[in-house]
Amino acid sequence: EDKVVQSPLSLVVHEGDTVTLNCSYEVTNFRSLLWYKQEKKAPTFLFMLTSSGIEKKSGRLSSILDKKELFSILNITATQTGDSAVYLCAASNAGNMLTFGGGTRLMVKP
Amino acid sequence: NAGVTQTPKFQVLKTGQSMTLQCAQDMNHNSMYWYRQDPGMGLRLIYYSASEGTTDKGEVPNGYNVSRLNKREFSLRLESAAPSQTSVYFCASSEEVTSLYEQYFGPGTRLTVT
Repeated sequence: EDKVVQSPLSLVVHEGDTVTLNCSYEVTNFRSLLWYKQEKKAPTFLFMLTSSGIEKKSGRLSSILDKKELFSILNITATQTGDSAVYLCAASNAGNMLTFGGGTRLMVKP
Repeated sequence: NAGVTQTPKFQVLKTGQSMTLQCAQDMNHNSMYWYRQDPGMGLRLIYYSASEGTTDKGEVPNGYNVSRLNKREFSLRLESAAPSQTSVYFCASSEEVTSLYEQYFGPGTRLTVT
């Protein structure tokens, strides 16, 4: 059975801090790893990673995938209160089934 | 361009009642999906439709049926609601079913079954 585990479950930091969110996966016929940000409603897409070792970057957010060790990390530097959200990681297989992790709830305090 | 829309936003049902959740997308995507999200469990795939006229079961299909009415619309039906189906339901769409396309999500429907 495919499985995705995220850690930590929740995290409280202060503005300006740097955070690292973790995602490990066990997926048969793995194809890609996706990160989503979920505030009050729908998850919004952040990154899709398919190749090991290549960092994807968008502003203060970056992510990297390690296909040998089966994990990914999402880094957020200089955090802001607007970064407060649940961050979801999902792994896809060749049949396009997305398996989601339980999410990491991030709270950024002023 | 509204993206993915869902109706209703909230619904309360009694055990045994039926209802249909509606989803529509205006991005001309071929593939559509229904997920449920329970606390601490992430999103779980209920059904998906790779293209108009096809539907397939996901991880948790029991108790649900779906209809891909046309390319834009994908509905989820609960024939006889149970308290275990209390959840937030998300519809999503993507260009193609292959795993290399990101999925865009609707705002969700919060369903409570008493």
